[in-house]
This record gives sequence, C-alpha cells and structure tokens, in this order.
Amino acid sequence: QSVLTQPPSASGTPGQRVTISCSGSSSNIGSNFVFWYQHLPGTAPKLLIYGNNQRPSGVPDRFSGSKSGTSASLAISGLRSEDEADYYCAAWDDSLSGYVFGTGTKVTVL
Amino acid sequence: QVQLQESGPGLVKPSETLSLTCTVSGGSISSSFWSWIRQPPGKGLEWIGYIYYSGTTTYNPSLKSRVTISLDTSKNQFSLKLSSVTAADTAVYYCASTSYNRGWFDPWGQGTLVTVSS
Repeated sequence: QSVLTQPPSASGTPGQRVTISCSGSSSNIGSNFVFWYQHLPGTAPKLLIYGNNQRPSGVPDRFSGSKSGTSASLAISGLRSEDEADYYCAAWDDSLSGYVFGTGTKVTVL
Repeated sequence: QVQLQESGPGLVKPSETLSLTCTVSGGSISSSFWSWIRQPPGKGLEWIGYIYYSGTTTYNPSLKSRVTISLDTSKNQFSLKLSSVTAADTAVYYCASTSYNRGWFDPWGQGTLVTVSS
C-alpha cells in the first residue's frame, strides 16, 4: 500500500533539471528520514539518497534530495540518458510501524 | 562488498506457503537488519518485514498474520515464509540489507519473480 504520493511521470531533455516530489504526512516524512531509490526494471533497486539529502559514495552529485515538512523532493540535474528509470521515495511510518514507499515516478529522457 | 541473492520456487499454488531464501556474500549476516520487499507486476514497492541479527523481527501490519522471517547464521542466509498465498501475492520479491532500525535499504538483491497460480 503506497502511502507516499509521487507524480507518475517526469521527463526532460539531456542536460535539463528534473524534480520529483514525494508527499506524505506527519507520521512518515514529517517525523522520519526520507530515502530515494532508482530502479531499472529487471535490476536491483539502487539507493540514491539517505537521511533526506545524503548521497552514498558512487552516486553522482547530479542527484540531490531535500525535505520540508511532510514533503520531499529528488532533483536530477544535467539529465543523462542513463537516468531513465523508475524512482521511489520511502520513509518509516510511525502510525503503521513500518516502511512506506512512494507510488513511483518514471523518468524519461527525451 | 556485500551482495545478496534470492532463491526459491518461481511458482506456488494458491493457499500454499511461499518460501524464499536470501544468501548474503561478502559480509556477515551477524550484524544489521535484513529485509524483504516485494513489487507486484505493474505496481509499486511494498515492505514485507525485517529481522535483526539477534532474531528480533518487525513485520508489515498488513501481512503480519501470514509472514515469518528467520535467520540461518551458519549459512549466512535469511528466509521468508508467506502462508495462505493468493494471486495478489504474485510479485518480484527482493531481499535487502537494512542499515539500522528505520534506516535505508542497501544493497538489494536482483529479485525473484514468484507467481501464485494453480
């Protein structure tokens, strides 16, 4: 059950900046860290952002995360063809006592 | 570098129990948390639950009555059992290392498709 809301799609041309929103509530994003994952179908999902805005080693600085209140965003700057994938936000939910994921956003590079 | 690999039957009959194993290599299972996550065809990701290396488990409340996650430290593996399955349980099942309680999933296994059908 997806509790976090994302736009179903986003697109841009190479080099452009794309932003994906993730809307939640006080019990999840409002009180816990947000994580972002990149998923190419048929492959293992990959951690992009942890702790709202921290990048694991190896993730390009073109990817950045932010959080404000009960919403979060992932920005991809300098869009590249290899960025075409599905992107999911996630957070712990205190009311559900479990993780919740976003509905997912498919990024297309035009 | 830790790597995870799921294994188990790709086809399970309705009302039976789905059983999957995740083998961890490049690191010890005797630390951290270990999760199962699934993705039904055409749908989003759903967290199933996790187990701490001590054996303590936390499950998704919507699946709790049917889920069991266990550890086998001698084989560096952890397992998922989901009972009384229906077609709604058809999904790609992923295992993942979890940094800490309420932390991030990294890395993930490649995933394995389990179809529930007679």
